[in-house]
Amino acid sequence: GDSVTQMEGPVTLSEEAFLTINCTYTATGYPSLFWYVQYPGEGLQLLLKATKADDKGSNKGFEATYRKETTSFHLEKGSVQVSDSAVYFCAPMDTGRRALTFGSGTRLQVQP
Amino acid sequence: DAGITQSPRHKVTETGTPVTLRCHQTENHRYMYWYRQDPGHGLRLIHYSYGVKDTDKGEVSDGYSVSRSKTEDFLLTLESATSSQTSVYFCAISDPVGDYGYTFGSGTRLTVV
Repeated sequence: GDSVTQMEGPVTLSEEAFLTINCTYTATGYPSLFWYVQYPGEGLQLLLKATKADDKGSNKGFEATYRKETTSFHLEKGSVQVSDSAVYFCAPMDTGRRALTFGSGTRLQVQP
Repeated sequence: DAGITQSPRHKVTETGTPVTLRCHQTENHRYMYWYRQDPGHGLRLIHYSYGVKDTDKGEVSDGYSVSRSKTEDFLLTLESATSSQTSVYFCAISDPVGDYGYTFGSGTRLTVV
């Protein structure tokens, strides 16, 4: 089955710093790829997605590019804010079951 | 999230008792899922449904069963609760007409004592 490797956290940054959270995956075929975000005490929310190779997903200043050659989908943001503090999950879509496989999550802490 | 609700939000139960968690949607989405979230494991798929009375197992289905008798409701049952099933349980829905992204419920925190 599909699997996901995310960088371990917590990642601690100062406000306005550049963010990268690495994500690599193994999957059959070319799955759609997603990033979800979970704020404290809440469920997960879709952050961005990409459905085919070289697609770039973007939302709220976050970006990720579908890299088929390296099976990666790294999340980036040019200038983080305190309000970005959350746990971020990378997830490929199992094309057979239409089910997401989640990584273990990366906690981001942004300090003022 | 709007359109999907989980109940109860919190529950404490004793080892060996059956427990049922409910997921209710008003979006008429075909696909519904149950995940559990544990520290260090992210979210793991328990069971999923691709239509009324059509369900299948995920990676961590042992000790769990599900039922879907109508589109809007997806029930997760712990047949005989154990302490290892203490977790936060999330339901999600997905519409195959769209991009297959999920909408998640707010979660149920279950403690088995």
